[in-house]
Amino acid sequence: EVQLVQSGAEVKKPGESLKISCKGSGYDFTNYWIGWVRQMSGKGLEWMGIIYPGDSDTRYSPSLQGQVTMSVDKSISTAYLQWSSLRASHTAIYYCARLSTIFGVVSGFDSWGQGTLVTVSS
Amino acid sequence: DIVMTQSPDSLAVSVGERATINCKSSQSVLDSSNNKNYLGWYQQKPGQPPKLLIYWASTRESGVPDRFSGSGSGTDFTLTISSLQAEDVAVYYCQQYYSTSITFGGGTKVEIK
Repeated sequence: EVQLVQSGAEVKKPGESLKISCKGSGYDFTNYWIGWVRQMSGKGLEWMGIIYPGDSDTRYSPSLQGQVTMSVDKSISTAYLQWSSLRASHTAIYYCARLSTIFGVVSGFDSWGQGTLVTVSS
Repeated sequence: DIVMTQSPDSLAVSVGERATINCKSSQSVLDSSNNKNYLGWYQQKPGQPPKLLIYWASTRESGVPDRFSGSGSGTDFTLTISSLQAEDVAVYYCQQYYSTSITFGGGTKVEIK
């Protein structure tokens, strides 16, 4: 069974740094892109970027580039999302998701983590 | 970026009736090399992550009830719930993955009338 398990909720102060994680299991982690999606309270889904664990190739949403950094440690099948200096506007639920392919053709995010709630407040 | 516009923002439908959600992309998401539309539909229930219902605009994900169907091509797409059930109350999102800058629609909230 494909599973993505994310790290637990975080409460941080503005200016602090943070790294959250997403651990994959039940499939070849290195062969599927992992995406990150933000959802602010009561709002819709916002794609942040994707990373390919096989070679760490990364694509960021133009609107979020520079605000976050995505990385992977393929030896432990884990993807990361990190901030160097948090702001209150970063308060949201963050989901990781696997970008599936069928016969080499992208077919959407077929498996999702449970979400990590990040709260930034002074 | 490809902009995805969903309509309506919300709709209330009686149990057993049809629900229809529309999604329009600002440019075509059809890959002419394989005739596939890179368009997916997701369902998100309160307190849960999204769930993939439909990919390639009209292919149901494994395990998704057949009352859910997707149609359309190019820039105009529709998700239809043929006979709404109480457990279908959720927010539904369309998503394009034609561009490497993936984008979601704003969501449509489906409620019971």
